[in-house]
Amino acid sequence: AQRVTQPEKLLSVFKGAPVELKCNYSYSGSPELFWYVQYSRQRLQLLLRHISRESIKGFTADLNKGETSFHLKKPFAQEEDSAMYYCAPMNRDDKIIFGKGTRLHILP
Amino acid sequence: DSGVTQTPKHLITATGQRVTLRCSPRSGDLSVYWYQQSLDQGLQFLIQYYNGEERAKGNILERFSAQQFPDLHSELNLSSLELGDSALYFCASSVGGSGANMGELFFGEGSRLTVL
Repeated sequence: AQRVTQPEKLLSVFKGAPVELKCNYSYSGSPELFWYVQYSRQRLQLLLRHISRESIKGFTADLNKGETSFHLKKPFAQEEDSAMYYCAPMNRDDKIIFGKGTRLHILP
Repeated sequence: DSGVTQTPKHLITATGQRVTLRCSPRSGDLSVYWYQQSLDQGLQFLIQYYNGEERAKGNILERFSAQQFPDLHSELNLSSLELGDSALYFCASSVGGSGANMGELFFGEGSRLTVL
């Protein structure tokens, strides 16, 4: 069965400290992987996708096929990073499953 | 606003009733997704349509049904409502198919359903 796990419900990090939001997936084949973010009072939106290998707002995500993980990282947290983050694999049929999400709280 | 629009924003109804949630996708998007967000459950994938055809199905109950119309708007029908159906229902749209924009979903603000 397709499954995505975000083990941390809440992650509190001091401003300027590194951030790592964990995501592990269990999928057949090679899914495409995405991170979505929901800032306070905004709609859920795409943050970044693995296929683009891009860095958005200082965030990057590394795909580790051996560990089936796609952790989201940022070297120095900023207060505006406080939000809800969802890991979302997509299979060949465009079906996108979301993890339960991790609430990132940046402490001043 | 040419983004995804969902109506109604809020809905309160009683157990046993039936409701219809409506979603208008972004202009040009062919794919519509429905998700249910309950407390502590995250976003549960319900169903996806592409250009009027059902493309993928998730944990959608038999009491629930959906369709996508020729003008590409979609409706999610929830019947024989139970207390546990109280949730935020999100619709999202995407261009669909393959290509650079694959997997980029644009979300609506959601319809909050309360079943009393």
